[in-house]
Amino acid sequence: QKEVEQNSGPLSVPEGAIASLNCTYSDRGSQSFFWYRQYSGKSPELIMSIYSNGDKEDGRFTAQLNKASQYVSLLIRDSQPSDSATYLCAVNDGGSQGNLIFGKGTKLSVKP
Amino acid sequence: DVKVTQSSRYLVKRTGEKVFLECVQDMDHENMFWYRQDPGLGLRLIYFSYDVKMKEKGDIPEGYSVSREKKERFSLILESASTNQTSMYLCASRLAKSYEQYFGPGTRLTVT
Repeated sequence: QKEVEQNSGPLSVPEGAIASLNCTYSDRGSQSFFWYRQYSGKSPELIMSIYSNGDKEDGRFTAQLNKASQYVSLLIRDSQPSDSATYLCAVNDGGSQGNLIFGKGTKLSVKP
Repeated sequence: DVKVTQSSRYLVKRTGEKVFLECVQDMDHENMFWYRQDPGLGLRLIYFSYDVKMKEKGDIPEGYSVSREKKERFSLILESASTNQTSMYLCASRLAKSYEQYFGPGTRLTVT
């Protein structure tokens, strides 16, 4: 069974701090990695994609990928209360269908 | 911008009723997906479709069926609704050449 593991949290950080969200995956054939943000009662929104080892930055968000360790992370710099949400990690199924496998999400709370 | 719409945000049905959930996307995406999301269980794939009139079972297809008569529209059908089908239902779509999935706003279905 291919799995994506995330710490469920809640992860609580003060406003202005760096929030670090982590994800591990089991399928070595996975090549594409995604972070979704989901506000309470809303649907997931794609915020970051990463395909190569290393870092990818987009504004206050940085995705980090280490395929050897099967590890993906999302850093949120200068965290804001509006970043409070559940963050879902998703990786592609390395099999022929290539669907996404989602983690159960980490709930982030940014305290003013 | 990708636009995925779902027919209802909230729906209340009685046990035994036949329920139709509609999803429409306007970006000419080939692939469409239906998920349900429950607390503690995360996103679970019900059915997906790679093309018109094609459908594939996901992880939890029991009690559901789907229809894809047109490329832009993917319908989820609960043949005889049961209380354990009370959930948030999420539709997603993607281009065949990409793993990035885009979600609709979701339908919160309550079966009483």
